[in-house]
Amino acid sequence: SAVISQKPSRDICQRGTSLTIQCQVDSQVTMMFWYRQQPGQSLTLIATANQGSEATYESGFVIDKFPISRPNLTFSTLTVSNMSPEDSSIYLCSGSTGGSGNTIYFGEGSWLTVV
Amino acid sequence: GENVEQHPSTLSVQEGDSAVIKCTYSDSASNYFPWYKQELGKRPQLIIDIRSNVGEKKDQRIAVTLNKTAKHFSLHITETQPEDSAVYFCAASIGGYQKVTFGTGTKLQVIP
Repeated sequence: SAVISQKPSRDICQRGTSLTIQCQVDSQVTMMFWYRQQPGQSLTLIATANQGSEATYESGFVIDKFPISRPNLTFSTLTVSNMSPEDSSIYLCSGSTGGSGNTIYFGEGSWLTVV
Repeated sequence: GENVEQHPSTLSVQEGDSAVIKCTYSDSASNYFPWYKQELGKRPQLIIDIRSNVGEKKDQRIAVTLNKTAKHFSLHITETQPEDSAVYFCAASIGGYQKVTFGTGTKLQVIP
């Protein structure tokens, strides 16, 4: 399986601030994604991180709120901007090893609490 | 887009019994169906997956079945153990596009 690491693992953030989450994957990963998991809920795709270009956002998510970068194949960042308590969630970096398998592996998650 | 429904939302079984979780999907183009187990406070872990050219796949106590005509797939856990207690997510994906849509999750409790 692919190795995916992200940081921070947890943080408590003040309302109105922004936080950047970093994700590092190994060379097996071809595609990178960011998911959100609100308390007790399923996983919702925020966006696909594209190398060297703007991320592809899903319906309901916008670049101004969740700017994403992927400067190279193995590194991506997600920023949660102008946070409110509703942004308290687990943010998961994930990667696909490509091909027809679409196997998705997850990082350990970043547990954000906004106060 | 793809919509994945999952039932039941909670499931309690006695240790040693079997557990079955069912999912349906809406997009007939979906051809890859992974299952994830998420223990409390941890990341989702892939436990088994099935592709559309296969009707059934088994790995020790875990099996998954797929009915493409009816657009549903199921997870079967036999001889359940307390360590099987977790939230299980089904998912569906269209090959090549690589975007995975998750079901709503099933919280499985195995009672010793």
